[in-house]
Amino acid sequence: DTGVSQDPRHKITKRGQNVTFRCDPISEHNRLYWYRQTLGQGPEFLTYFQNEAQLEKSRLLSDRFSAERPKGSFSTLEIQRTEQGDSAMYLCASSLATNNEQFFGPGTRLTVL
Amino acid sequence: ELKVEQNPLFLSMQEGKNYTIYCNYSTTSDRLYWYRQDPGKSLESLFVLLSNGAVKQEGRLMASLDTKARLSTLHITAAVHDLSATYFCAVDNNNDMRFGAGTRLTVKP
Repeated sequence: DTGVSQDPRHKITKRGQNVTFRCDPISEHNRLYWYRQTLGQGPEFLTYFQNEAQLEKSRLLSDRFSAERPKGSFSTLEIQRTEQGDSAMYLCASSLATNNEQFFGPGTRLTVL
Repeated sequence: ELKVEQNPLFLSMQEGKNYTIYCNYSTTSDRLYWYRQDPGKSLESLFVLLSNGAVKQEGRLMASLDTKARLSTLHITAAVHDLSATYFCAVDNNNDMRFGAGTRLTVKP
């Protein structure tokens, strides 16, 4: 399967814990995006990378959130000191810069108790 | 700040009927995308519209873009049950992708 993959698919954690999600993009794609989606809403942009450079961060991305793409391939999204409001589906997408058609992974569903 | 508005947000239609979903956006952009999402699933890319006047068709769905009016439409022809899903438009705002709230389509027999 050469699509975008995400791990884990589901994560349940207690408030105050740290969590880390991983995204493996389509191999030839140089752009990688992170989104958050809550029930009944469209995806909200969090951040994106072009190769290993993080080029844009949303104001939604508080200082508890950090993302990396160290070698320009896979990416991680870490949430520190989780809050109940962080409960959502976290989606990763990758694309080529030429037309930016994004291909989405299956998402990681986070539940903060 | 770029705003993307879809309407309607909910659409229930009979099989065989035609309907159009509208996507308006507030700032200049010439890149617009349509996605489909089934319940509990991720998003599937449907159309990429990269210029004013672009029109793309796939099966019973046709998408168009008018950058001057800042409007895209997704037209459904002779709907079938398999088209039931949520449809999102997304606008590329200097690589910061903004999504509409989605149109939840239900096609009834």
